[in-house]
Order: sequence, then C-alpha cells, then structure tokens
Amino acid sequence: DTGVSQDPRHKITKRGQNVTFRCDPISEHNRLYWYRQTLGQGPEFLTYFQNEAQLEKSRLLSDRFSAERPKGSFSTLEIQRTEQGDSAMYLCASSLQARFSYNEQFFGPGTRLTVL
Amino acid sequence: AQTVTQSQPEMSVQEAETVTLSCTYDTSESDYYLFWYKQPPSRQMILVIRQEAYKQQNATENRFSVNFQKAAKSFSLKISDSQLGDAAMYFCAYRRSSNTGKLIFGQGTTLQVKP
Repeated sequence: DTGVSQDPRHKITKRGQNVTFRCDPISEHNRLYWYRQTLGQGPEFLTYFQNEAQLEKSRLLSDRFSAERPKGSFSTLEIQRTEQGDSAMYLCASSLQARFSYNEQFFGPGTRLTVL
Repeated sequence: AQTVTQSQPEMSVQEAETVTLSCTYDTSESDYYLFWYKQPPSRQMILVIRQEAYKQQNATENRFSVNFQKAAKSFSLKISDSQLGDAAMYFCAYRRSSNTGKLIFGQGTTLQVKP
C-alpha cells in the first residue's frame, strides 16, 4: 500500500488551455474526494465519489470542471478553458466508508496548478 | 452552513515547550466530528487527532491533546514537548456525522518551532 498518489505533481499551463489531473486512491477505499487549496488557506471541498458514483458537488465546481471515477478506482479532474483564478493546489483524498468506521480521509501530495 | 475559524494565522513555540492552537466552529448539528490535520511544508496532509462530538472526554494522542468545549463550539489543540518536526501548518476541520464525509477546514495556523 503506497498511499494516495496524484499525477502530475506540478502543472503550468496557459490561460484557456485544458488540464487533467489524476488521483489513485488507496486500493480498498471506496470513497474519493477532491479539494482545492489556495495559498495560505485551508482546503475547500469540490466533489466526492462513492465507488463510481459522484454523490456531491460543491458550488465551487463550475461548468468548466468535471470529475470522473470510471471504474471506482482512480479519478480524473479536468478543468476546461483554465483561468488564472484556477491556480491552486488540487488535493485528492480517499477513505473507506463502512459501518462503524471513522471514514478517515487519507490525502495525496496534491497537484499544484499554475495558470499563466 | 457550517463554518470553521482559526484566528491565529501564525504561532511560534520554543522546542520542548507547550503550545495551544485555537479553533472555533459553527453548526446547528448535534452530532459531528472534529479533526486537527498537519500539513508540513511540501508534504501531504496527515491526521493528528480526532474528536467525536458525542464524547465528553477530550481526545489525546501522545503529545497531542484537545480541549473540546461543545457548548462554546471551541476545539483547541495542545502540543506538549514541542519538537522541530512539529513545524507545519495545522488545520482544524469539521465533518457532519451523516453520510457525506466531506471536510470543512479552517484557514490554518502556521506553527514555527524554535530550537
């Protein structure tokens, strides 16, 4: 078990370009979360999946953002037509949602996005 | 809507001393969880300690303990015998006990440990 991994770790793009990030959760975890963290702030919830179903989306997740978890394993977060305001650290977390479990979330190292 | 507030952007402590980080939250729920997470520079966030709202006893994990005041909606973290490796950003977080699982974070407190 290598923990939650994210790829790439850093992404620099020009305004208007599309970017896609990948998250690989801990293998037996059925829940996967995406958060966004701007410099000096706490993470803000974006969306989460239970298995392949996307169960909740934040209002922060505009139409330019889309997330998938096609087979209930890894997840992708795509941002279309990037804007400078999208510059942030994108964090992924996973957890095991089970009865009598604490559903502790384990975080990945994040993908730092810079939009020029 | 639930909110979490950390009013100390930065704190510093001398190595081996004790420091307390403050957190307040607002919720109308009666059952929830509270957490402290540690985010070292350029490293991933890890869970430090957890408190269930229905438990009156304050949680402790080795050198880390909390002071949970449910009526006051206060949840402070005490770090005893501070070590250089404790230097990090610390986030207080809230989670409803219902099925959603999403965390609501405070703004964070940067802790500096002086040798």
